[in-house]
Amino acid sequence: IAGITQAPTSQILAAGRRMTLRCTQDMRHNAMYWYRQDLGLGLRLIHYSNTAGTTGKGEVPDGYSVSRANTDDFPLTLASAVPSQTSVYFCASSSTGGAWNSPLHFGNGTRLTVT
Amino acid sequence: AQSVTQLDSHVSVSEGTPVLLRCNYSSSYSPSLFWYVQHPNKGLQLLLKYTSAATLVKGINGFEAEFKKSETSFHLTKPSAHMSDAAEYFCVVSGSAGQFYFGTGTSLTVIP
Repeated sequence: IAGITQAPTSQILAAGRRMTLRCTQDMRHNAMYWYRQDLGLGLRLIHYSNTAGTTGKGEVPDGYSVSRANTDDFPLTLASAVPSQTSVYFCASSSTGGAWNSPLHFGNGTRLTVT
Repeated sequence: AQSVTQLDSHVSVSEGTPVLLRCNYSSSYSPSLFWYVQHPNKGLQLLLKYTSAATLVKGINGFEAEFKKSETSFHLTKPSAHMSDAAEYFCVVSGSAGQFYFGTGTSLTVIP
C-alpha cells in the first residue's frame, strides 16, 4: 500500500540521548515535512524539504535536524533529547508542496517520551 | 502571512444531528484550504480540499465545506452525525512557499 512509513511507532528515551526518527514515502512526492503534535497546540512544523537535497526550518526547529539525501527518505534527528521534546511526531509529504491544491499525506506518527 | 483559527476547541452533538465545525483563515492571496480528520492514535486523513472551481466542496464520509471569501471562512458540515465521526478535526491553509498552517483542532464528540 502506497504511503508513508514511520519508525519506530513509539519510543522512551533518556534525556541527553541521540535519536533518529525514520520516515519513508513511496509516492515520489517532492516535498516532505516533520510536525510535532502537542495537546492544545495542534501541529507545528519542525523542518521541511521542498525537494531532495534541500531543507528548511519550520516554526519549532531548535534541537532538531533533518537531511534529504533522496526523494523517499526524510529522517529527523534529536541530537540530545530533552523532556520538552516529548510529543507525537508526524511525517508528511506532498507532491507539489501545497501549491495547486496538493494536500499533505501523513504517516501514523511516532510517540516519543523523553525522561 | 497565512493563519487559521478554529473557533471551537470542542463540539458535542447527538447522533443523527447536524455537525458544524468552524474555521476562519487569513491569507494574503487566494489560498488552498483543507480539512483533515484524526482518529485516536492515528495519523491525519484528508477529508476534503478547496479548489477555486467550486465554493462548495464535498469530501469523504458525507462531509462538505463552503468557501466564503467575504467572510474568510471554510466551515465543515455534515447533515447527520455518526458515532464513527467522533475524532479531532483540523483546518489547514497552505502558504506560497509550500508550507501548511494548521488550526489548533476541534474535538468532535458524538453522543448516542
